[in-house]
Amino acid sequence: AQSVSQHNHHVILSEAASLELGCNYSYGGTVNLFWYVQYPGQHLQLLLKYFSGDPLVKGIKGFEAEFIKSKFSFNLRKPSVQWSDTAEYFCAAHGSSNTGKLIFGQGTTLQVKP
Amino acid sequence: SAVISQKPSRDICQRGTSLTIQCQVDSQVTMMFWYRQQPGQSLTLIATANQGSEATYESGFVIDKFPISRPNLTFSTLTVSNMSPEDSSIYLCSASLTGPEQYFGPGTRLTVT
Repeated sequence: AQSVSQHNHHVILSEAASLELGCNYSYGGTVNLFWYVQYPGQHLQLLLKYFSGDPLVKGIKGFEAEFIKSKFSFNLRKPSVQWSDTAEYFCAAHGSSNTGKLIFGQGTTLQVKP
Repeated sequence: SAVISQKPSRDICQRGTSLTIQCQVDSQVTMMFWYRQQPGQSLTLIATANQGSEATYESGFVIDKFPISRPNLTFSTLTVSNMSPEDSSIYLCSASLTGPEQYFGPGTRLTVT
């Protein structure tokens, strides 16, 4: 079955610390991958996406993610987090046979302490 | 990108009643979707709203409980019927343009008492 798994449910970091959030997917065939962010009281926003090509993709606000096909992973990274990065982060996947459907991971709550 | 609005933003409803949630997109989109996000949990797809035909429901969701309309390329409604406290959740509308990425509305926070 198609699935997306996020390893960390709750992460607490101090400002300026580096961030890496894990995401693994289980899909057959071609897959498109996404990271979404939900800031407190706001709606889901697209952070970055991977379709093909360079496996290292850069998104908004200094975030990047690396697609590693051999590990079925799409981890999110940021070298130095800020208090304003406190949010819920969701990894999602879309397979070519899904007719548009996104499968979401469980989400990771990131709390950045000032 | 697409800008999506939802109405109402929140509501408190009594058990046994129904609520219709509206979703409006600022441009014509190919696909629209309805999700449920229960407290502290991830998003679960309820159905894909198809323009001009019946919605496609995911396993565990049925048309009698969650009827969906999509009369045109910019608008859709989701009705939560015969509500129970278990239906308390955030209901999200999303849309995709030409690619697979989806844009989300602000959500409707529903509390059933």
